[in-house]
Amino acid sequence: DAGVIQSPRHEVTEMGQEVTLRCKPISGHNSLFWYRQTMMRGLELLIYFNNNVPIDDSGMPEDRFSAKMPNASFSTLKIQPSEPRDSAVYFCASSLLGGRPNEKLFFGSGTQLSVL
Amino acid sequence: GNSVTQMEGPVTLSEEAFLTINCTYTATGYPSLFWYVQYPGEGLQLLLKATKADDKGSNKGFEATYRKETTSFHLEKGSVQVSDSAVYFCALSGQAGTALIFGKGTTLSVSS
Repeated sequence: DAGVIQSPRHEVTEMGQEVTLRCKPISGHNSLFWYRQTMMRGLELLIYFNNNVPIDDSGMPEDRFSAKMPNASFSTLKIQPSEPRDSAVYFCASSLLGGRPNEKLFFGSGTQLSVL
Repeated sequence: GNSVTQMEGPVTLSEEAFLTINCTYTATGYPSLFWYVQYPGEGLQLLLKATKADDKGSNKGFEATYRKETTSFHLEKGSVQVSDSAVYFCALSGQAGTALIFGKGTTLSVSS
């Protein structure tokens, strides 16, 4: 299996522009997570989906952030408009959640976002 | 709510030194506890876990024991290697269907 695939690996954009991050989870996994990593705050959960349905989006910073999962093999995280404080590494992770506490997440390599 | 607190880094050690990274948690009920590791330029990966009190998780020479009385899950290794240089995250999982909650991470740097 190729693992969790994220694209792009690096994104540099200017303030005010729209940014779309993409994620392909591991085939067969039914849960997908978006995390943001910064030096100041560490690893923060933004949102997670179970069976393509958003379960908890309380970590989404504000309305500029939105996430979708149109099918089991694809998810996007969009920031519109982007701001310099959004600069971070964004990770997507997936897992097989079988009704038990979530035990093992498989992370992608992340997208390094820089908003100038 | 549930939370995880890790010791501040960075931790700098010489090869073959003993490693301890402290982790304490706050949670309702009986969470499962984890250590994840992030090597440079990569995503996190599971290192070890423990699902109930007094369980010891172990992998690659690392160990951590689930201590309910002290709400701790400290990571230890008897002899670190340069290849252990990475960021280590303590995490907990509460009720079924909830996402993992991570600590802020502790950077370990091992020199030869």
